[in-house]
Amino acid sequence: DAMVIQNPRYQVTQFGKPVTLSCSQTLNHNVMYWYQQKSSQAPKLLFHYYDKDFNNEADTPDNFQSRRPNTSFCFLDIRSPGLGDAAMYLCATTHRGGADEKLFFGSGTQLSVL
Amino acid sequence: DAKTTQPTSMDCAEGRAANLPCNHSTISGNEYVYWYRQIHSQGPQYIIHGLKNNETNEMASLIITEDRKSSTLILPHATLRDTAVYYCIVRVAQDDKIIFGKGTRLHILP
Repeated sequence: DAMVIQNPRYQVTQFGKPVTLSCSQTLNHNVMYWYQQKSSQAPKLLFHYYDKDFNNEADTPDNFQSRRPNTSFCFLDIRSPGLGDAAMYLCATTHRGGADEKLFFGSGTQLSVL
Repeated sequence: DAKTTQPTSMDCAEGRAANLPCNHSTISGNEYVYWYRQIHSQGPQYIIHGLKNNETNEMASLIITEDRKSSTLILPHATLRDTAVYYCIVRVAQDDKIIFGKGTRLHILP
């Protein structure tokens, strides 16, 4: 059973048109992450939440924002997508203070920018 | 930046043990070693982790050197389904910032 769910699996947007990617989890984990992964590269951490505390990576563009309205959901907003933002976006969760603090990933959303 | 160094790619014959090395020479005493793998077009999947003792689970074994500066992930009987990119990560418990290095692309050869 899927525990970290990302929708949609594939998303197409136009250059400059705002887009939102969603992630939900059934694990009740207190930490949620967004990673960007371009072809043949490692996942790159964009930001993460510990509960409602937001942590932005220094090199994450201002174009990328996130919301976490409750424990279960987290959104990635790309305000004005450029061609360079085409990538796989991965959501992950873990539980700080849990037994092993391993990461659980969703299947990702593949974003295309036309 | 990632604190680990891994070979870019490795080959292993099907049915043989795959031994994937990871160098983490600057690891601190409270940092764990985690391994994940990513099969093409999927999210990474947890494999195993350890602090200083060797660990084994249903997927793999993790051997950590006594000085903790390196480790080896062992897939005892590799199958074609083990073809993936394998990531070694070091992190302190309760440190939420998790950075992936470049990983090792493992090819299992029939």
